[in-house]
Amino acid sequence: QQQVKQSPQSLIVQKGGISIINCAYENTAFDYFPWYQQFPGKGPALLIAIRPDVSEKKEGRFTISFNKSAKQFSLHIMDSQPGDSATYFCAASSDTGNQFYFGTGTSLTVIP
Amino acid sequence: GAGVSQTPSNKVTEKGKYVELRCDPISGHTALYWYRQSLGQGPEFLIYFQGTGAADDSGLPNDRFFAVRPEGSVSTLKIQRTERGDSAVYLCASSYSGQGGTEAFFGQGTRLTVV
Repeated sequence: QQQVKQSPQSLIVQKGGISIINCAYENTAFDYFPWYQQFPGKGPALLIAIRPDVSEKKEGRFTISFNKSAKQFSLHIMDSQPGDSATYFCAASSDTGNQFYFGTGTSLTVIP
Repeated sequence: GAGVSQTPSNKVTEKGKYVELRCDPISGHTALYWYRQSLGQGPEFLIYFQGTGAADDSGLPNDRFFAVRPEGSVSTLKIQRTERGDSAVYLCASSYSGQGGTEAFFGQGTRLTVV
């Protein structure tokens, strides 16, 4: 059973546009929600993370929006650039758990 | 080293053979994780070490898979009697404490191909 559901599977955005990736979860024990960026042949790298005590976190062009009641969170990439083309994974974990549960990934392509 | 190092980067083996995959975590990180990533999928948890002990091995798919971390640093994932279905990228990650919510740093992975 997929603990974290991610959509869309793929996304094509024009340079300068906004990329939006959505994730949903069921386990209310989750309290840490990171987003990872992965380039081909590389391991996932932490992009930005949020805890449920805030509804939004922004770091540069990257913003996480978090809706605790809906058990959903999303990544917004503002002013998308060709260099942002990668696969993005949302994930979730709990303080009492020993693992991260990953979404299935979103392949983002930013067209120049 | 500066990051998590995994060797080899690529491994091709014949069905039925034994393989070992190595992970060298970030110095000082007590927590170490192994994940498996199949094509087009997100990483799936295999095993978690806190220090030298396997604190959670619930993700290991069967008894052909085993991992060790004898000195609390380098870890080796061992796969016996490999099957074609074992083909995947095996990722190692480490974190400072292993407590939930602690940032995990991933290596580049070992791409295992069983032919």
